Amino acid sequence: AQSVTQLGSHVSVSEGALVLLRCNYSSSVPPYLFWYVQYPNQGLQLLLKYTTGATLVKGINGFEAEFKKSETSFHLTKPSAHMSDAAEYFCAVSGLSGNQFYFGTGTSLTVIP
Amino acid sequence: GAVVSQHPSWVICKSGTSVKIECRSLDFQATTMFWYRQFPKQSLMLMATSNEGSKATYEQGVEKDKFLINHASLTLSTLTVTSAHPEDSSFYICSATPSGMSSNEQFFGPGTRLTVL
Repeated sequence: AQSVTQLGSHVSVSEGALVLLRCNYSSSVPPYLFWYVQYPNQGLQLLLKYTTGATLVKGINGFEAEFKKSETSFHLTKPSAHMSDAAEYFCAVSGLSGNQFYFGTGTSLTVIP
Repeated sequence: GAVVSQHPSWVICKSGTSVKIECRSLDFQATTMFWYRQFPKQSLMLMATSNEGSKATYEQGVEKDKFLINHASLTLSTLTVTSAHPEDSSFYICSATPSGMSSNEQFFGPGTRLTVL
């Protein structure tokens, strides 16, 4: 069974500050891990994904995430927040055995000018 | 590449009517497509997996007679909400996996906002 927990349904940061969005997963098989961003009334846009290989994954818009197996975590970070980063962020997991995605409950990011 | 479109982007209908939502892979073929629904301020919940040429696989708790899925070609899957009611109002999002690619590659459509009056 696979599941995703996103700690903090709302996160506020000042413009220029570090962004940290937390994601923990449970999976009975080696997971594939994803971060998506959703702007209001739009679909999902892939930020980055981890499948195999290097555990530090770099994505679009300056975001990156690190897969830590020992902590079952895949936290999303960005060194300096921009106003345009304000959106809903979803962490998702899928397993080798299937192609179903399991999404976290999402984290709403607010960037304060 | 790997663009998925949905039509319509939003629809308003009266209670009791049926609504069809289309999901198209524009530049690739997709053996498998997925349908999700998202309630306001909530996450995406998988409704069903649509396989070209065969019956869809529905998640537990999803009424297959209410949410009819047809995947008649490698580029088109449709979701029909039959006898829609206000509680069916939601944001419906599809995704598609390119044929031959890893099943963990999914590309998402922009979503369809359904409002049932």
